[in-house]
Amino acid sequence: QTVVTQEPSLSVSPGRTVTLTCGLRSGSVSTNFHPSWYQQTPGQAPRTLIYNTNSRSSGVPDRFSGSILGNKAALTITGAQTDDESDYYCALYMGGAIWMFGGGTKLTVL
Amino acid sequence: QITLKESGPALVKPTQTLTLTCTVSGVSLTTSGVGVDWIRQPPGKALEWLASIYWNGDNYYSPSLKSRVTITKDTSRNQVVLTMTNMDPVDTATYYCARNWQWRFDYWGQGTLVTVSS
Repeated sequence: QTVVTQEPSLSVSPGRTVTLTCGLRSGSVSTNFHPSWYQQTPGQAPRTLIYNTNSRSSGVPDRFSGSILGNKAALTITGAQTDDESDYYCALYMGGAIWMFGGGTKLTVL
Repeated sequence: QITLKESGPALVKPTQTLTLTCTVSGVSLTTSGVGVDWIRQPPGKALEWLASIYWNGDNYYSPSLKSRVTITKDTSRNQVVLTMTNMDPVDTATYYCARNWQWRFDYWGQGTLVTVSS
Protein backbone atom coordinates (compact mmCIF):
# COMPACT_ATOMS: atom_id res chain seq x y z
CA GLN A 1 0.00 0.00 0.00
CA THR A 2 1.81 3.05 -1.31
CA VAL A 3 0.98 6.17 0.67
CA VAL A 4 2.80 8.44 -1.81
CA THR A 5 1.45 7.87 -5.29
CA GLN A 6 3.14 8.30 -8.66
CA GLU A 7 2.22 7.19 -12.16
CA PRO A 8 3.90 3.79 -12.63
CA SER A 9 4.87 4.64 -16.18
CA LEU A 10 4.65 7.46 -18.70
CA SER A 11 5.88 7.98 -22.20
CA VAL A 12 6.72 11.13 -24.12
CA SER A 13 8.00 11.93 -27.57
CA PRO A 14 11.31 13.74 -27.85
CA GLY A 15 10.84 17.49 -27.71
CA ARG A 16 7.44 17.27 -26.07
CA THR A 17 6.45 18.17 -22.52
CA VAL A 18 5.53 15.66 -19.84
CA THR A 19 4.35 16.12 -16.27
CA LEU A 20 4.90 13.56 -13.55
CA THR A 21 2.87 13.86 -10.37
CA CYS A 22 3.30 12.95 -6.73
CA GLY A 23 0.20 12.63 -4.58
CA LEU A 24 -1.08 11.19 -1.36
CA ARG A 25 -3.46 8.26 -1.10
CA SER A 26 -5.28 10.35 1.44
CA GLY A 27 -5.00 14.12 1.41
CA SER A 28 -3.29 16.82 -0.62
CA VAL A 29 0.35 17.63 -1.18
CA SER A 30 1.33 21.20 -0.39
CA THR A 31 4.60 23.07 -0.10
CA ASN A 32 4.61 22.03 3.57
CA PHE A 33 5.61 18.57 2.38
CA HIS A 34 8.77 20.03 0.79
CA PRO A 35 8.52 17.73 -2.23
CA SER A 36 11.75 16.73 -3.92
CA TRP A 37 12.38 14.79 -7.11
CA TYR A 38 15.11 12.31 -7.99
CA GLN A 39 16.20 10.79 -11.28
CA GLN A 40 17.66 7.30 -11.35
CA THR A 41 19.14 5.34 -14.22
CA PRO A 42 19.77 1.58 -13.96
CA GLY A 43 22.62 0.67 -11.65
CA GLN A 44 23.14 4.22 -10.48
CA ALA A 45 22.37 6.11 -7.31
CA PRO A 46 19.55 8.65 -7.51
CA ARG A 47 20.36 12.20 -8.56
CA THR A 48 18.56 15.16 -7.04
CA LEU A 49 16.63 17.25 -9.56
CA ILE A 50 14.21 19.44 -7.61
CA TYR A 51 13.87 20.20 -3.91
CA ASN A 52 11.56 22.25 -1.73
CA THR A 53 8.85 22.05 -4.40
CA ASN A 54 10.52 24.10 -7.12
CA SER A 55 14.20 24.70 -6.41
CA ARG A 56 16.48 23.20 -9.03
CA SER A 57 19.64 21.46 -7.84
CA SER A 58 22.97 22.67 -9.12
CA GLY A 59 23.70 21.52 -12.65
CA VAL A 60 20.15 20.41 -13.41
CA PRO A 61 18.95 21.67 -16.81
CA ASP A 62 16.19 24.26 -16.70
CA ARG A 63 13.89 21.99 -18.72
CA PHE A 64 13.16 20.35 -15.36
CA SER A 65 10.78 22.29 -13.14
CA GLY A 66 8.75 21.58 -10.04
CA SER A 67 5.41 22.87 -8.85
CA ILE A 68 2.20 22.09 -7.05
CA LEU A 69 -0.62 21.24 -9.45
CA GLY A 70 -3.96 20.91 -7.77
CA ASN A 71 -3.46 18.56 -4.85
CA LYS A 72 -0.20 17.03 -6.07
CA ALA A 73 3.43 17.91 -6.51
CA ALA A 74 4.52 17.92 -10.11
CA LEU A 75 7.72 17.53 -12.08
CA THR A 76 7.53 18.93 -15.59
CA ILE A 77 10.06 18.17 -18.29
CA THR A 78 9.78 20.71 -21.08
CA GLY A 79 11.34 19.50 -24.31
CA ALA A 80 12.09 15.95 -23.23
CA GLN A 81 15.31 14.42 -24.47
CA THR A 82 16.20 10.77 -24.94
CA ASP A 83 18.65 11.13 -22.04
CA ASP A 84 15.69 11.82 -19.77
CA GLU A 85 14.53 8.21 -20.05
CA SER A 86 14.88 7.14 -16.41
CA ASP A 87 13.01 6.29 -13.25
CA TYR A 88 11.80 9.29 -11.29
CA TYR A 89 11.00 9.32 -7.59
CA CYS A 90 9.41 11.96 -5.44
CA ALA A 91 10.01 12.29 -1.72
CA LEU A 92 7.72 14.01 0.74
CA TYR A 93 8.43 15.29 4.23
CA MET A 94 5.67 13.82 6.37
CA GLY A 95 6.47 15.82 9.50
CA GLY A 96 8.33 14.75 12.60
CA ALA A 97 11.51 14.35 10.51
CA ILE A 98 9.92 11.43 8.66
CA TRP A 99 10.27 11.11 4.89
CA MET A 100 8.46 8.93 2.38
CA PHE A 101 9.24 8.13 -1.23
CA GLY A 102 6.73 7.50 -3.93
CA GLY A 103 6.55 4.30 -5.90
CA GLY A 104 8.41 5.85 -8.82
CA THR A 105 7.57 6.62 -12.44
CA LYS A 106 9.32 4.90 -15.32
CA LEU A 107 9.60 7.48 -18.08
CA THR A 108 10.05 6.34 -21.65
CA VAL A 109 11.14 8.83 -24.31
CA LEU A 110 10.38 7.64 -27.82
CA GLN B 1 33.91 17.68 -2.49
CA ILE B 2 31.35 15.75 -0.50
CA THR B 3 31.32 11.99 -0.83
CA LEU B 4 29.57 9.19 1.00
CA LYS B 5 30.50 5.54 0.82
CA GLU B 6 28.64 2.56 2.20
CA SER B 7 30.38 -0.54 3.47
CA GLY B 8 29.26 -3.77 5.02
CA PRO B 9 28.52 -7.40 4.29
CA ALA B 10 27.13 -8.39 0.92
CA LEU B 11 25.43 -11.47 2.34
CA VAL B 12 23.65 -12.05 5.64
CA LYS B 13 21.62 -14.99 6.85
CA PRO B 14 17.99 -14.78 7.91
CA THR B 15 17.56 -13.69 11.54
CA GLN B 16 21.03 -12.16 11.62
CA THR B 17 21.74 -8.52 12.38
CA LEU B 18 22.99 -6.28 9.57
CA THR B 19 25.49 -3.53 10.30
CA LEU B 20 26.30 -1.00 7.57
CA THR B 21 28.71 1.93 7.77
CA CYS B 22 28.53 5.17 5.83
CA THR B 23 31.84 7.04 5.67
CA VAL B 24 31.35 10.72 4.92
CA SER B 25 34.03 12.99 3.48
CA GLY B 26 33.99 16.70 2.72
CA VAL B 27 31.54 17.71 5.45
CA SER B 28 31.60 17.24 9.18
CA LEU B 29 28.74 15.36 10.80
CA THR B 30 28.73 18.06 13.47
CA THR B 31 27.98 20.86 10.98
CA SER B 32 24.73 22.53 11.98
CA GLY B 33 21.78 21.31 9.95
CA VAL B 34 23.53 18.31 8.45
CA GLY B 35 21.80 14.97 8.49
CA VAL B 36 22.69 11.59 7.07
CA ASP B 37 19.97 9.19 6.06
CA TRP B 38 19.74 5.55 5.05
CA ILE B 39 17.53 4.67 2.11
CA ARG B 40 17.12 1.24 0.54
CA GLN B 41 15.88 -0.14 -2.74
CA PRO B 42 14.92 -3.79 -3.29
CA PRO B 43 15.83 -5.05 -6.76
CA GLY B 44 13.45 -3.57 -9.32
CA LYS B 45 11.45 -1.73 -6.68
CA ALA B 46 11.08 1.75 -5.24
CA LEU B 47 13.22 3.69 -2.82
CA GLU B 48 12.34 3.38 0.86
CA TRP B 49 13.47 5.84 3.53
CA LEU B 50 14.76 4.09 6.64
CA ALA B 51 16.31 6.51 9.12
CA SER B 52 18.02 9.86 9.72
CA ILE B 53 20.59 11.13 12.16
CA TYR B 54 21.35 14.83 12.51
CA TRP B 55 24.30 16.94 13.53
CA ASN B 56 22.94 17.25 17.06
CA GLY B 57 22.50 13.49 17.50
CA ASP B 58 18.73 13.43 17.03
CA ASN B 59 17.60 10.34 15.16
CA TYR B 60 14.39 9.39 13.43
CA TYR B 61 13.05 6.16 11.98
CA SER B 62 10.55 4.88 9.49
CA PRO B 63 7.51 3.88 11.57
CA SER B 64 7.32 0.54 9.78
CA LEU B 65 10.90 -0.40 10.69
CA LYS B 66 11.42 1.46 13.94
CA SER B 67 11.52 -1.69 16.04
CA ARG B 68 14.35 -3.20 13.99
CA VAL B 69 16.56 -0.26 13.00
CA THR B 70 19.11 1.79 14.89
CA ILE B 71 21.14 4.68 13.49
CA THR B 72 24.19 6.06 15.25
CA LYS B 73 27.19 8.17 14.37
CA ASP B 74 30.87 8.30 15.23
CA THR B 75 31.90 11.92 14.84
CA SER B 76 35.57 11.16 15.35
CA ARG B 77 35.50 8.94 12.26
CA ASN B 78 32.78 10.93 10.47
CA GLN B 79 30.77 7.76 10.03
CA VAL B 80 27.13 6.84 10.35
CA VAL B 81 26.15 3.29 11.24
CA LEU B 82 22.87 1.53 10.49
CA THR B 83 21.93 -1.61 12.37
CA MET B 84 18.98 -3.73 11.32
CA THR B 85 17.99 -6.75 13.35
CA ASN B 86 16.22 -9.97 12.41
CA MET B 87 17.02 -9.78 8.72
CA ASP B 88 14.67 -11.49 6.29
CA PRO B 89 14.93 -12.23 2.56
CA VAL B 90 12.51 -9.34 1.92
CA ASP B 91 15.22 -7.03 3.26
CA THR B 92 17.40 -7.85 0.26
CA ALA B 93 18.13 -4.47 -1.27
CA THR B 94 20.70 -1.90 -2.24
CA TYR B 95 21.27 0.25 0.81
CA TYR B 96 22.21 3.89 0.23
CA CYS B 97 23.34 6.58 2.60
CA ALA B 98 22.68 10.17 1.62
CA ARG B 99 23.22 13.63 3.04
CA ASN B 100 20.02 15.29 4.16
CA TRP B 101 20.38 19.03 3.71
CA GLN B 102 17.87 21.79 3.13
CA TRP B 103 14.91 19.57 2.36
CA ARG B 104 16.67 17.18 0.02
CA PHE B 105 18.97 14.22 -0.19
CA ASP B 106 21.67 15.97 -2.15
CA TYR B 107 24.67 13.65 -2.04
CA TRP B 108 24.31 9.90 -2.28
CA GLY B 109 26.68 7.03 -1.84
CA GLN B 110 27.05 4.47 -4.60
CA GLY B 111 24.97 1.99 -2.62
CA THR B 112 25.77 -1.47 -1.34
CA LEU B 113 23.76 -4.56 -2.25
CA VAL B 114 22.84 -6.72 0.71
CA THR B 115 21.39 -10.16 0.02
CA VAL B 116 19.60 -12.06 2.76
CA SER B 117 19.82 -15.77 2.16
CA SER B 118 20.67 -18.93 4.01
